Amino acid sequence: QKEVEQDPGPLSVPEGAIVSLNCTYSNSAFQYFMWYRQYSRKGPELLMYTYSSGNKEDGRFTAQVDKSSKYISLFIRDSQPSDSATYLCAMSAGGGNQFYFGTGTSLTVIP
Amino acid sequence: GAVVSQHPSWVICKSGTSVKIECRSLDFQATTMFWYRQFPKQSLMLMATSNEGSKATYEQGVEKDKFLINHASLTLSTLTVTSAHPEDSSFYICSAGGDPGGGRYNEQFFGPGTRLTVL
Repeated sequence: QKEVEQDPGPLSVPEGAIVSLNCTYSNSAFQYFMWYRQYSRKGPELLMYTYSSGNKEDGRFTAQVDKSSKYISLFIRDSQPSDSATYLCAMSAGGGNQFYFGTGTSLTVIP
Repeated sequence: GAVVSQHPSWVICKSGTSVKIECRSLDFQATTMFWYRQFPKQSLMLMATSNEGSKATYEQGVEKDKFLINHASLTLSTLTVTSAHPEDSSFYICSAGGDPGGGRYNEQFFGPGTRLTVL
């Protein structure tokens, strides 16, 4: 069983739609949860960084963590064509420990 | 803050040659650096973790004699692909861990990646 599971998509939505991206994990020691956006042939860019359970909002992006279900989500409101990218979830136990990445979900927002 | 650069961004080499990739943290001290490789449409695969001044820790299945990692200072780590072959063609990404301020010591800051093509 992989440490982190993520639906690879691809996901295609019309401009303005609400996008929901999800990851599940198996290691209860994970405390830090991240979402990265990666454009083609570029390095990952940190979007959201969350510690423990709860919600975090930043502009059109909302990250949710449910540690009891070992489930994290990223919501994108009013999606834009510029949001078209691959979204990677990542998590770690902290303390400089290794990050575990999902496989990434490819998102296309159609104008 | 927390900018990480990689050089070169793209390299093409002949089979059998060695290629060195540099990873620099530009505005903070990186106590730990990570090297990943990524194949098309796949996620990041951790190759090795290196701490400044000590030997790198390689993940299972990664040949340490082929992928030489040096982390000689708190701002520079290098990955050398020795005797490169076409199957080594991939996107190599480094990340740096440290504290660029604001208590962000549990984060990793990624470089822009290096695309290696071995002919």
